[in-house]
Amino acid sequence: EAHLVESGGGLVQPGRSLRLSCTASGFTFGDYAMSWFRQAPGKGLEWVGFIRSKAYGGTTEYAASVKGRFTISRDDSKSIAYLQMNSLKTEDTAVYYCGRDSNFAFDYWGQGTLVTVSS
Amino acid sequence: QSALTQPPSVSGSPGQSVTISCTGTSSDVGSYNRVSWYQQPPGTAPKLMIYEVTNRPSGVPDRFSGSKSGNTASLTISGLQAEDEADYYCSSYTSSSTYVFGSGTKVTVL
Repeated sequence: EAHLVESGGGLVQPGRSLRLSCTASGFTFGDYAMSWFRQAPGKGLEWVGFIRSKAYGGTTEYAASVKGRFTISRDDSKSIAYLQMNSLKTEDTAVYYCGRDSNFAFDYWGQGTLVTVSS
Repeated sequence: QSALTQPPSVSGSPGQSVTISCTGTSSDVGSYNRVSWYQQPPGTAPKLMIYEVTNRPSGVPDRFSGSKSGNTASLTISGLQAEDEADYYCSSYTSSSTYVFGSGTKVTVL
C-alpha cells in the first residue's frame, strides 16, 4: 500500500526559506502527479500546488496565494517530492500535507508536518 | 480562486441521513465530473471518500454517496454512525488546471 511521509517542518522567521520533503513508498512514484496542501490552525484545507508526472511533462501548477514564492519539484529516483518555500509570511503557518494525485482526487496523504513562521 | 461553499455544520441522529452541499461555479464544479470528498477526524490527515463525483474507493462504506447537479455537488451519509463524526471537505479540479477545496463541514452525530 502507498505510504507518504512529510519532513522538514519547523520554526522559521518571516522572510526566510524552508524546504519540505515528501518521501513515498509502496507504489511507482514516477507514474503519479503529487500535490501539496496546507491547513492553518483551526482552519480548512487549502491546495498549494502540484507537479505532474514526467509522462505529462513534469510541469507544475500553484495556488494564487503561493505562486512566485513556492516551488514544487520531484526526484523520481528517490521517490521524493519537494516543496521549496521562500519569502515566508506569518500567514504561511500551517500543517503541510503531501498527497498522491489519482483520477483528479487525492487518494493517499501523509501525516503532515507543521511549519510555524514567527519571529 | 475562492473556496467552494459548504454549510459550516450538519447534524443527525444515528441511523438518519445527512447531506452536505458543495457549491462552486461553472469554472470548477460545473465544468467537470472531477469532484472529490474527504473525511477528516480531529488531529488526523484527510481520507478520500468519493472521487469523480460518485465513485467510492475500496474500503469506503456504501453509506457514503455522491452526486452533482449544475454547479453544486453533494455528499450523502446514510445510516449515520458515531464514527462518521468528522469534518468533511469537497474538492474540485478547475478550468485553470488547479484545485480548490470547500470551506468544510462539521458533521455531528447527536
